[in-house]
Amino acid sequence: QSVLTQPPSASGTPGQRVTISCSGSSSNIGSNTVNWYHQLPGTAPKLLIYSHNKRPSGVPDRFSGSTSGNSASLAISGLQSEDEADYYCATWDDSRNGWVFGGGTKLTVL
Amino acid sequence: VQLVESGGVVVQPGGSLRLSCAASGFTFDDFDMHWIRQAPGKGLEWVSLINWNGDKIHYAASVQGRFTISRDNSKNSLYLQMNSLRTEDSALYFCAASVNFDYWGQGTLVTVSS
Repeated sequence: QSVLTQPPSASGTPGQRVTISCSGSSSNIGSNTVNWYHQLPGTAPKLLIYSHNKRPSGVPDRFSGSTSGNSASLAISGLQSEDEADYYCATWDDSRNGWVFGGGTKLTVL
Repeated sequence: VQLVESGGVVVQPGGSLRLSCAASGFTFDDFDMHWIRQAPGKGLEWVSLINWNGDKIHYAASVQGRFTISRDNSKNSLYLQMNSLRTEDSALYFCAASVNFDYWGQGTLVTVSS
């Protein structure tokens, strides 16, 4: 059971906009910044969004993050087939004195 | 930026293992370093953090008291000493650099099995 709750799966068609939610508590999302990672099969995860809504160099602006209260969301607009991957949210947890991850969401592009 | 993990093997329950992560392409002692693991077919689990000079260290509750993280900035290397290994420690172990896990290695596989 992960500390942060994500839906196990999400899907969309090419060109669509999809969102992935990440629910936590006041000790993690409610008081710390949220990062998002994506992981293609057989590869290491890559940083997608950091500090709620900042994109590292090279990440297209189709990807955006937002946070409200104890929840965060990742939005992907103009869905492309190469976006098919596992997506994870993560943040620091003040109660656990450590980082926590969501359980991951498998995104399928139909 | 390159991170290369090594040391993963098959080990019996109760055994010990030391993982290494060799860093290159960036100023190693400018960065926090982390170990993060992923059991086969499962999600990511953060394991441990060490700051740039080693005076701030944190562990996940699942490994506290059994695992020890360390670093040698003169060798651009990160380590994870794993003792009292359990079957549930079986996973692909990644090292990651920077406060937001900006950079990741490809992982080294640890299998704990009798």
